[in-house]
Parts: sequence; C-alpha cells; structure tokens
Amino acid sequence: GDSVTQMEGPVTLSEEAFLTINCTYTATGYPSLFWYVQYPGEGLQLLLKATKADDKGSNKGFEATYRKETTSFHLEKGSVQVSDSAVYFCASRESYNQGGKLIFGQGTELSVKP
Amino acid sequence: DAGVTQSPTHLIKTRGQQVTLRCSPKSGHDTVSWYQQALGQGPQFIFQYYEEEERQRGNFPDRFSGHQFPNYSSELNVNALLLGDSALYLCASSLGETTPQHFGDGTRLSIL
Repeated sequence: GDSVTQMEGPVTLSEEAFLTINCTYTATGYPSLFWYVQYPGEGLQLLLKATKADDKGSNKGFEATYRKETTSFHLEKGSVQVSDSAVYFCASRESYNQGGKLIFGQGTELSVKP
Repeated sequence: DAGVTQSPTHLIKTRGQQVTLRCSPKSGHDTVSWYQQALGQGPQFIFQYYEEEERQRGNFPDRFSGHQFPNYSSELNVNALLLGDSALYLCASSLGETTPQHFGDGTRLSIL
C-alpha cells in the first residue's frame, strides 16, 4: 500500500544552521504531498503543500519540491530559529482517492539550540 | 474565525468503558476526518465523514464508530476500551475531500 518514510530524528541544530528533513513516498497514482508541523501539546498545522510534480511549496522560509523521479519531498530551510523546534510530519494524499485520507510519516523531531 | 475545536482536551477511562469525543469543524468546512496518534508516531487515519455518511475507513476495528451531524460537527465513539487505545485523537476538517485538512489540538485519551 501507499506509504511515507521520513528520516529519523531527533535532529539537533544550532540557530541559523541549514535544515534538511528527508521524505520519500510510495504511491500507485499521483499524490498530493504535504508537510505538517506539530508544536508540543498542540495539533498539526499545515506548513506547505504541492499537488503535482515539480511544484514547490513554501511558507515561513521552509521549502519543499515535489520530485516524481525520486519520489521525494524533502523539507528545507536556509536558517533555522529556536522557534522552529517542533515535530515535522510529511504526508501524502492520493489524487484518485475519494476519501482524501492523509498518510503520514513517523515524524522528525527538530531541536534548535541558541 | 474559529478553527477546528475538539472536546474534551483530556480524558481518563478504564478498560472496557466507552468514550465519545467531539469535534466542531472550521467555519465553512463540511468534511471531518479522525486520526489516532500514538506517542512518538505519525497520525493514523480512522475514518472520514461527509454529508453525514462515512466516506472512507482506515484499518480500525468496529469498536471505533462515528457520526456527523447536519451542522457538520462530528463524534468519535470507541467501545470496549483497550489499553492500546491510549493516544491523541485528532480531528481534521476540510471543504470537500481535496482541500487541505486543518487539525484541532486533539483529545488526549488515557486508558488505565
């Protein structure tokens, strides 16, 4: 079945460092792809999305590009801040799937030190 | 503009009991999905409701059931609770099935 795999955490970075969190997916069709962020004690917030190959989603300095050839959707940020510390989830949703369910990766915890 | 609201925030039950969790979708949204998030894991899809009907279901037993009301709010019911049902239960709403889902802060269910 469809699945999403993320790099394992926790990831610890110093403030202003470059961030990459890897995400790959398997799907029988052409899914939409998402990154969600979860702060402690809260639900998930949509960070960015891409709906087709070569689309780039971006928000709050974060970017991810939908790469069909490598089935990847890696999250990047050029300069992280302490406030970016959270758990990041990559997710897919099949375009043909009439239910619209999201399939999540296991999450990657990011800790940014001052 | 209120987002997705869930109640209660926390709940403690014992094995064998039954529980009902509630969700009000974001204003303008008509579709509600429920997810279970075990500690340290990604959310797992339980089911989705649209027009008061269950549209899709994940790999969860029949002990998990739901309902959607005419005002689009929704309930998740779990019968015969097991220790393994301890988790954060997340509700997400969207406009139809193709727009991005917006999540509530969840209900933390603990089974003793």
